[in-house]
Amino acid sequence: AQKITQTQPGMFVQEKEAVTLDCTYDTSDPSYGLFWYKQPSSGEMIFLIYQGSYDQQNATEGRYSLNFQKARKSANLVISASQLGDSAMYFCAMREGRFNKFYFGSGTKLNVKP
Amino acid sequence: DVKVTQSSRYLVKRTGEKVFLECVQDMDHENMFWYRQDPGLGLRLIYFSYDVKMKEKGDIPEGYSVSREKKERFSLILESASTNQTSMYLCASSEDRETGEQYFGPGTRLTVT
Repeated sequence: AQKITQTQPGMFVQEKEAVTLDCTYDTSDPSYGLFWYKQPSSGEMIFLIYQGSYDQQNATEGRYSLNFQKARKSANLVISASQLGDSAMYFCAMREGRFNKFYFGSGTKLNVKP
Repeated sequence: DVKVTQSSRYLVKRTGEKVFLECVQDMDHENMFWYRQDPGLGLRLIYFSYDVKMKEKGDIPEGYSVSREKKERFSLILESASTNQTSMYLCASSEDRETGEQYFGPGTRLTVT
């Protein structure tokens, strides 16, 4: 089974609107971490936000928030007030296990329209 | 700032050649990782290392080996390059802690002809 599933290969959003990028995960480990990364066309991987499996509150970082629904095993990224510079690939990732192994999803390409 | 560097941005090799991809991090991180990134497949873990001389296979280790003789350096070796190993290769490092996000290098685009 896939550890991380991102079901939206591509998405469009109008500038200044909010957008939700979906991510579901699969683990039996009680302790894990969930991450979102952004990869602009330049290719660099930029860390956006982290959510721990024991965190009670949803993580927020500026315009990014992580909608963590543990029972559903989902960790959706919400970007508020989209900007043109948000156009990029977005990857959801999970860390689990004794050696902090990371798993990545296949990514969602977000296009922000002016 | 954490810095992860990779020896080459672009590399062209011939089928059957032995290829070395080098990765160096300057933040004393315990964990280091090698991924390949292909369109539609995301990042797939090839190998990772949690300590000097220690390594673990990832999801797609076939055709690859790794070496970690020093904490800051993690090398990926393609013993006999094949055309299906044409890809973008990303190195990353992280601290050995729960919230330890990964820091990535700029990537090496390898073409095997």
